[in-house]
Amino acid sequence: QKEVEQNSGPLSVPEGAIASLNCTYSDRGSQSFFWYRQYSGKSPELIMSIYSNGDKEDGRFTAQLNKASQYVSLLIRDSQPSDSATYLCAVNSNTGKLIFGQGTTLQVKP
Amino acid sequence: EAGVTQFPSHSVIEKGQTVTLRCDPISGHDNLYWYRRVMGKEIKFLLHFVKESKQDESGMPNNRFLAERTGGTYSTLKVQPAELEDSGVYFCASSPGLAGGEQYFGPGTRLTVT
Repeated sequence: QKEVEQNSGPLSVPEGAIASLNCTYSDRGSQSFFWYRQYSGKSPELIMSIYSNGDKEDGRFTAQLNKASQYVSLLIRDSQPSDSATYLCAVNSNTGKLIFGQGTTLQVKP
Repeated sequence: EAGVTQFPSHSVIEKGQTVTLRCDPISGHDNLYWYRRVMGKEIKFLLHFVKESKQDESGMPNNRFLAERTGGTYSTLKVQPAELEDSGVYFCASSPGLAGGEQYFGPGTRLTVT
């Protein structure tokens, strides 16, 4: 079992729809959770961090965390073609190192 | 505020040669991390500096890899001698404050070993 698992996709949604990206993790001691967006050939760009159970909203993005279920998700509302990228889930047990999932490729079709 | 910078952006070397990658973190960030992405795989942690000290080097693949952060500013990662399986993209990231916080990534160095 991988430490951080994501569906590789591609996840295809029409423009204006809600994109839902999911991630599960195996280490119950994990304390902080991050979503990065990576365009092809570029570096990971931090878009959301979440540290406690529940929802955290930032613009069109909402991160959801459920530590009991070891589950993190990212919702993107009003998806735009410019949101097309690979979304990486990363988990940190507060030792410093990030454990990454393989990423989910999102395609937003005009 | 300048972001994390890395040099070179791309390096092509032959097996057995030496390569040194450089990372300049965001000014004032005590934490500096090295990660690597091999084609088709997820990004993997290599090591973590707090200022000039190695906090965690559990991800370093073998003793052909040497990382330094003299003076607690920029860091170098040397691969000597390079092997084919060392090919990949090497990312550097930095973060302020305590470990566990948000990490900001540099553009990466794409290393190709032929």
